Order: sequence, then structure tokens, then C-alpha cells
Amino acid sequence: DAEITQSPRHKITETGRQVTLACHQTWNHNNMFWYRQDLGHGLRLIHYSYGVHDTNKGEVSDGYSVSRSNTEDLPLTLESAASSQTSVYFCASSESNSLVTYEQYFGPGTRLTVT
Amino acid sequence: GQQVMQIPQYQHVQEGEDFTTYCNSSTTLSNIQWYKQRPGGHPVFLIQLVKSGEVKKQKRLTFQFGEAKKNSSLHITATQTTDVGTYFCAGFEDTGNQFYFGTGTSLTVIP
Repeated sequence: DAEITQSPRHKITETGRQVTLACHQTWNHNNMFWYRQDLGHGLRLIHYSYGVHDTNKGEVSDGYSVSRSNTEDLPLTLESAASSQTSVYFCASSESNSLVTYEQYFGPGTRLTVT
Repeated sequence: GQQVMQIPQYQHVQEGEDFTTYCNSSTTLSNIQWYKQRPGGHPVFLIQLVKSGEVKKQKRLTFQFGEAKKNSSLHITATQTTDVGTYFCAGFEDTGNQFYFGTGTSLTVIP
């Protein structure tokens, strides 16, 4: 069965370190998204991609970067981790069509703690 | 910028009572989706509404999209303990070409 996976599931890192969170989907979806979830803020979009080599900034993109070299993967990099980036990170993917929007399939999440 | 607000933030109900969460956008949406997230889990898609004034039902769940396409609601009839979780709306705005998630409503059902 197709799925979307994230790794690691839990990560503790120190302030200032570079961290990369992996997201891999086998749905063959063109669209992929990264969100962070914090109490009182719901899900906030960090970056998204509508296809290979396409990346776009979401509403909270500062301090984060992504690259899309193939259909299956969209790794999220924290250039220099800060305590404010302690959060639960969700990756999602969806089909694409210029006329229709589709449901997003979410991964299990990565809980990141920056000390 | 675009904002999608949900109320209430928290709701505690006795099992068997009804529950409603409201989603309001600062701008017109082309469509809206609803997701449910169980405690400790990830969001799972429930439904998408596209047309102005659209109403859809899934068993005890009723979803509405406002006439002006700026608000939506999810109503659960006779809640059960399996309804526990956080319900999110996600509005798609054409100009931003992305979904904006609401802040979510956390539902607790007391047996």
C-alpha cells in the first residue's frame, strides 16, 4: 500500500545545529507540504512543492529550507536550530490538478525538541 | 494576510450531546476541507466542500459551506467517545494558491 513516512519520529538537538527531517511518499503525488503544529496555532505551512525542482515559501518559512530532487522526497532543513522551532512537524502530500484540489495525506509527524 | 479562525478552541460535551465547530475566513475561499486529528495522531481528511451553500453529510457529521464562501461549519449529532479529537478546517485561497488551516477545535466527549 502507498504511504507517507517521516524520519526521525523524535529528535532532540541543540541550538545552532543544522537538522534535516525526512519525508518520503510512495503515492507518486506531485504536491508535498511541510507544516508545524503548535498549541494554539493549529497547522502552519512552512514550505510546499508542486513538483520536482519546485519549492515555495509558506507562512512560516524563515529558518527553514526544502529541496525537491525527485517526486518521492521533500526533506526539510533547519539551517540553525532555535528553541522557537521546537514543535511537531508534519509532512503531507496530495494529487495535483490545475482545476481541482485534493485531500492531503499526512505522515505520522516528527517531534523536534531544540535545547 | 489570510487568516482562518475556528471557534471554539475547546469543547467538552457529554456523550450523546451535539457539537458544532465554526470556521471563518478573512477572504473568500475557493473550497474548504475538514480534517480530524486523534490525540497523538496525524490529521486525516474528512471531506471537501466546493460550492457556495453546499451541505454534505457523513453519518452523524454535517458539513456546511457558507453562501459567501467565507465560513464553514461541522456539526456532530449525538457525540460518541470515538469522536474525540481535534477538528481542523483548511481553506484554499486562489490568490495564495495554498491551503490555510484553521486553529482547530479540540473535542472532549465525557462518557
